[in-house]
Amino acid sequence: DARVTQTPRHKVTEMGQEVTMRCQPILGHNTVFWYRQTMMQGLELLAYFRNRAPLDDSGMPKDRFSAEMPDATLATLKIQPSEPRDSAVYFCASGPTGYTEAFFGQGTRLTVV
Amino acid sequence: KQEVTQIPAALSVPEGENLVLNCSFTDSAIYNLQWFRQDPGKGLTSLLLIQSSQREQTSGRLNASLDKSSGRSTLYIAASQPGDSATYLCAVTQGGSEKLVFGKGTKLTVNP
Repeated sequence: DARVTQTPRHKVTEMGQEVTMRCQPILGHNTVFWYRQTMMQGLELLAYFRNRAPLDDSGMPKDRFSAEMPDATLATLKIQPSEPRDSAVYFCASGPTGYTEAFFGQGTRLTVV
Repeated sequence: KQEVTQIPAALSVPEGENLVLNCSFTDSAIYNLQWFRQDPGKGLTSLLLIQSSQREQTSGRLNASLDKSSGRSTLYIAASQPGDSATYLCAVTQGGSEKLVFGKGTKLTVNP
């Protein structure tokens, strides 16, 4: 049963700490997305990759956020330093090729206190 | 900038009713439109994907239509069931970019 796997599912951290979220896309999918969901803003794209190359990270606060794909089976989203306004659910999604169906992970619920 | 709007924000219906959820988008230059379902505390499950050249897609009790020129899509749910209770999101992919632009969703409650 192919699925996008995200870890951790929940994370509570103190302001100023580094947070790393991980995503394992579905094997064979070459497009990977990071989205953030909040009550106020809904779902917003932070970054996306095709064949591990970053194509669009315009939605990401670059002073504190970074996204990478060290290999085809792992995508990471890092926040350093974290702030209370970063509290949200972070979703990873993958797709087999561009412009096709996107498959979402279960999300990482981040709380920064 | 593409904007996606879903109305109503919340909808409550009795079991068995047929219902329609609406989605509108401001820029008709889309590549496709996707409807998702999200259960509380869960991820998004893709329901239907409509390519810009298509008018509708069907899966079981679900039917999604697309009118690209008017910037509208509808999701029709037939014979609703309590298990259909969830938030339904629509998202468009803009031509030239693979990123999905989402509406804020319609929270559906089907009462037994």
